[in-house]
Amino acid sequence: EPEVTQTPSHQVTQMGQEVILRCVPISNHLYFYWYRQILGQKVEFLVSFYNNEISEKSEIFDDQFSVERPDGSNFTLKIRSTKLEDSAMYFCASSEGGRGNAYGYTFGSGTRLTVV
Amino acid sequence: GENVEQHPSTLSVQEGDSAVIKCTYSDSASNYFPWYKQELGKRPQLIIDIRSNVGEKKDQRIAVTLNKTAKHFSLHITETQPEDSAVYFCAASIGGNNRLAFGKGNQVVVIP
Repeated sequence: EPEVTQTPSHQVTQMGQEVILRCVPISNHLYFYWYRQILGQKVEFLVSFYNNEISEKSEIFDDQFSVERPDGSNFTLKIRSTKLEDSAMYFCASSEGGRGNAYGYTFGSGTRLTVV
Repeated sequence: GENVEQHPSTLSVQEGDSAVIKCTYSDSASNYFPWYKQELGKRPQLIIDIRSNVGEKKDQRIAVTLNKTAKHFSLHITETQPEDSAVYFCAASIGGNNRLAFGKGNQVVVIP
């Protein structure tokens, strides 16, 4: 069964440092997403990406965040200057289609980011 | 609005009994409603989903019902087993990009 893969599985970083979280969505999917989950809390939407551009972002996704699809397979989330409150599990997801066509909505296994 | 509310927050059931978790949503344009099971430290795993043109869907011991008029949908687990113990999240699709808005999760504990 196709999978969304994420690397690394765990990242520890110093406050103020930049981190890049990597994702490889399912190959025929067109919509890509980043979500995060602070320990013990619900999953929160960060950003959606379609046709090589951001299609929607939440209030959490401020100027310190950016996303990129540098080639035909990778989808990255960059946090420019990490803060303690950025510590969370970050999930990448992808789906085949947009409104009314969310087939194959699949989450990756996540990257646990710890900011110290 | 795009609130997704989930009740109850914790549910304990005896093995073999049924468990029901309810979710309400506020966006009348939502048309895709997945349920995820999340075990500690792992990613959410899709267990069942339903689209707005269907009122009920069943997969073995799991079923989901949708009431679009009332804007609520429920997860039903029958003949619960200890391995059903996990946090269950409901979600509803929002907007043209199908981003998901999640409920706060429900801790289900199946007592052997």
